[in-house]
Amino acid sequence: EAAVTQSPRSKVAVTGGKVTLSCHQTNNHDYMYWYRQDTGHGLRLIHYSYVADSTEKGDIPDGYKASRPSQENFSLILELASLSQTAVYFCASGYTEVFFGKGTRLTVV
Amino acid sequence: GQQVQQSPTSLVLQEGENAELQCNFSTSLNSMQWFYQRPGGSLISVFYNPSGTKQSGRLTSTTVIKERRSSLHISSSQITDSGTYLCAMERSNTNKVVFGTGTRLQVLP
Repeated sequence: EAAVTQSPRSKVAVTGGKVTLSCHQTNNHDYMYWYRQDTGHGLRLIHYSYVADSTEKGDIPDGYKASRPSQENFSLILELASLSQTAVYFCASGYTEVFFGKGTRLTVV
Repeated sequence: GQQVQQSPTSLVLQEGENAELQCNFSTSLNSMQWFYQRPGGSLISVFYNPSGTKQSGRLTSTTVIKERRSSLHISSSQITDSGTYLCAMERSNTNKVVFGTGTRLQVLP
């Protein structure tokens, strides 16, 4: 079974602050993804990556950056957190068949 | 517009009844996957089903790629089946996995 680990599991951030969400996978997958989940919107793709040191924009990249320093690690960075970025964030890895982490609940106050 | 349409949006069953969940895609796709999520929980892969029919216990998934649709059948529903079922597709000619907004299933005793 694929293993995707997210940290932290929850976080409270202040508006305008910097937030970094981390994701680690041990499955040797090339593809990694960051999604956010909001009530009524399902999961929406923020950024993804298919090789280390390279990231791609998803469907809602504005306000987010991503970093893929190695095949195993993929981070999501909010340089200036805003209230609208309060959501649950999921990391996933895989290609065609994807496996998810347990999610990070981010609250921006 | 929504590329992945799920129906129904919510469903309430009596324990023992069967359920049929539908997923329709507005664009061509390479593969699709069904996920299960408890409130506040992570996403658990139920089926990776790029085509044809797959069965696992009381769950059966049928995907017809050419018709851009997939279904998830739950037979003899149990209270523990309650939660949200999401379908996701990998769009053709992209590396993106796109989700529907889910079907919220509640099974009553």
